[in-house]
Amino acid sequence: DTGVSQNPRHKITKRGQNVTFRCDPISEHNRLYWYRQTLGQGPEFLTYFQNEAQLEKSRLLSDRFSAERPKGSFSTLEIQRTEQGDSAMYLCASSWTQGGNEKLFFGSGTQLSVL
Amino acid sequence: AQSVTQLDSHVSVSEGTPVLLRCNYSSSYSPSLFWYVQHPNKGLQLLLKYTSAATLVKGINGFEAEFKKSETSFHLTKPSAHMSDAAEYFCVVSDFQGGKLIFGQGTELSVKP
Repeated sequence: DTGVSQNPRHKITKRGQNVTFRCDPISEHNRLYWYRQTLGQGPEFLTYFQNEAQLEKSRLLSDRFSAERPKGSFSTLEIQRTEQGDSAMYLCASSWTQGGNEKLFFGSGTQLSVL
Repeated sequence: AQSVTQLDSHVSVSEGTPVLLRCNYSSSYSPSLFWYVQHPNKGLQLLLKYTSAATLVKGINGFEAEFKKSETSFHLTKPSAHMSDAAEYFCVVSDFQGGKLIFGQGTELSVKP
């Protein structure tokens, strides 16, 4: 399967610890997105990259959050000093932009639980 | 600002009966609208997409949706529900940048035997 891959699938951490998630997009895709989904809600946009450039960040992304896509391929999302409110499913999606007809492919997500 | 409102948080139907999942949108310009489905432990999957080419959009697995500008609605329908249709469904609008999606709160579809 060459879809979007996210690791780990689950992460349990204690409040105050740092965590890092990884997303491997579909190989030829130039855009990569991060979304967050809390229980009973739809996903919310966090940030996105075009190649290695981070083009937009949501106000939801506090200073404790940082995302990188160093070579325009895989991406990491780091949360520092985690809080219980960070508990959520973190979703990654990738796409190939062509003529405005963009289709996102989502990974299965990383479920974060902060105790 | 763009937004979508899913009118039902939960819909329950019997297998073989029609499905209707309701969605209203708000947009200051002609929107791109989508329906996504999310099965447990699986990634979000695109069911269908509206981009102004035709008001009735056919998607995968027998689903379709009709764009009604006068009602600002984009309801999802299927003539006959299958057990495998049980999942969470999201109505989605995109901003002018295309890939930045704004999701509704979701409708959980249950299918009874």
